[in-house]
Amino acid sequence: AQSVTQLGSHVSVSEGALVLLRCNYSSSVPPYLFWYVQYPNQGLQLLLKYTSAATLVKGINGFEAEFKKSETSFHLTKPSAHMSDAAEYFCAVSNNNAGNMLTFGGGTRLMVKP
Amino acid sequence: EPEVTQTPSHQVTQMGQEVILRCVPISNHLYFYWYRQILGQKVEFLVSFYNNEISEKSEIFDDQFSVERPDGSNFTLKIRSTKLEDSAMYFCASRETGHGSPLHFGNGTRLTVT
Repeated sequence: AQSVTQLGSHVSVSEGALVLLRCNYSSSVPPYLFWYVQYPNQGLQLLLKYTSAATLVKGINGFEAEFKKSETSFHLTKPSAHMSDAAEYFCAVSNNNAGNMLTFGGGTRLMVKP
Repeated sequence: EPEVTQTPSHQVTQMGQEVILRCVPISNHLYFYWYRQILGQKVEFLVSFYNNEISEKSEIFDDQFSVERPDGSNFTLKIRSTKLEDSAMYFCASRETGHGSPLHFGNGTRLTVT
């Protein structure tokens, strides 16, 4: 069984500040991990993915995430927040079977203050 | 960039009615999915579909739900007799072959059951 926990349903940062969105996972097999972003009234857009290659993964829009097996974490960071980063962010884990079913965390709404 | 398209963007129906939600996956993708997101809740897996059959389904996907790929491009989700609790945003997704290949999501259909 797999699960994802995102600590903090709401995170507020000032423009230019560091963004840190937390994700911890549970998986009985080596996981594939993803971060998706959802802008208002839109679908889920892939930010980045971890598939057992480099543990530090760079994604779009300046985001990156680091896979830490010892901590079962895959936290998302961005050095400097922009107003346009305001959205909901979802961490997800998938199994290694052909279905690649995704299990999502509860999401974190990022607010960016001017 | 190719994308998953879903129609309609918003569907209102009365309890007990049948609805069909439509999706056009990315053309070279072979795995198809439906997810749903009840307002304020997690994105939940419903079903995955490959090689013209269901490969995995969740407990949510009961006998009231069915999926079909009626032609080479469309992928549909049918709810036979809608209930109030079926009100949600329904997301279609597709992916290409290969472990760890990410899901590409459509913008969703908001289903409102009255």
